[in-house]
Order: sequence, then structure tokens, then C-alpha cells
Amino acid sequence: AQSVSQHNHHVILSEAASLELGCNYSYGGTVNLFWYVQYPGQHLQLLLKYFSGDPLVKGIKGFEAEFIKSKFSFNLRKPSVQWSDTAEYFCAVNAGVLVEYGNKLVFGAGTILRVKS
Amino acid sequence: DTGVSQDPRHKITKRGQNVTFRCDPISEHNRLYWYRQTLGQGPEFLTYFQNEAQLEKSRLLSDRFSAERPKGSFSTLEIQRTEQGDSAMYLCASSYRTSERLHSYNEQFFGPGTRLTVL
Repeated sequence: AQSVSQHNHHVILSEAASLELGCNYSYGGTVNLFWYVQYPGQHLQLLLKYFSGDPLVKGIKGFEAEFIKSKFSFNLRKPSVQWSDTAEYFCAVNAGVLVEYGNKLVFGAGTILRVKS
Repeated sequence: DTGVSQDPRHKITKRGQNVTFRCDPISEHNRLYWYRQTLGQGPEFLTYFQNEAQLEKSRLLSDRFSAERPKGSFSTLEIQRTEQGDSAMYLCASSYRTSERLHSYNEQFFGPGTRLTVL
């Protein structure tokens, strides 16, 4: 079965610090990869996605992620965080793009990021 | 288009009662998914529909759970004889798949969820 690991459950940073959240998945085939964000009191929103092509993906609000196939990783980065980035971040994998997989997402447990102003 | 909506947003019930949740997907989306999220965990897949057909159910979905999407638009998730372990956030998501070819998948858009508390 596919699984997704997020290495840090809680991260606390000061404003302007750089961010890197780790995400590893277990699946050897073709994958689609996602980072979702959930701001306090809001629903899950897509931050960025990787389907194919350039492994460095840029998303909204200055976030980017790099897909490293050999490491089964899709780490999220931001050079300088803001207080408004305080949220919970979820990595998700859609293992396989064939019909039988249904495109269901397998999520990691999430990382709660708190940015101190 | 206002996105995926779910009703109710909160539901408190007593153990043994039945509950039903509704999800209205984005109007042109042909795929609809149900997930469950418990505290400290990411969402876990429960089931999904392509139009009105329920194509897959997770092992998490016990016999007490049933989901429908009768006209390929809105969906309902019913839990019979609720248990305290059913307390969770129930999330609905929708997407649009253009064809069965590879890479025709589009991302899932999530609703605000229904928080169920079973006393």
C-alpha cells in the first residue's frame, strides 16, 4: 500500500526564515504529487502539484517543491516565510494515473507550521 | 461557482443514532471523493464516484457507512448506528477527469468538511 511520510509534525520559525518541509512516499511507479495547505479555520487548498516534466515546481505564495524520484521525495520550500504562512501543510500522493487507481489521494500526517512575527 | 460545499458543517449526535451528510461538488466535476480526517492525521480516502457510479470503497468504510450520488451531482454519506470512533472531520472533494488517458487527471478541490462528534 502506498504511504506518505512527513518528517516534522510541528515546525516553529521566525519571519524571514527559510522553510523546508520533508515528504517521502512509498510507491515505485508513476506518481502525481501535491502539497495542500490548511490555514486556520479554512479548508484544504492546493499549494502546488507535480504531474510530469520539470521536477522543480512553483506554486502559489512563493512556495516551491522539488521532486527527486531517486529519493522518493517531494520537499516543500520557501525562501522567506511570513506570519501569514502559519498553517498545516499536507503532502499527498496519487499513486498511479491509471483508471483502476481512481486518482485517490494518500496524505501524510501533516506538518503544523507556526511563524512567529 | 463557489466551490465544493458541505452540509452540515457540524453535527453532534448520540451513539447509536444515524447521521447523513451532504456534499455539493463543483458543478462540472464528474468525480467526487469522500475522505475522513481525525485529529493529528491527514485525510484518509473512503470512497469515490465517477458520475453516479461508486467505483471504489476503502476498507475503512464499514457496513455502517453508505454513500450515494444518485444523479451524478450531489452526494450523501450516511453513517448508521454511530460509534464514538466515528468522530472525525468528513471531507468531500471533487475533480474533473477529461478522459481515461494518462495525465488527464485534474486536482481535487476540497470542501470545508463536516465535523462529526459522537457522544
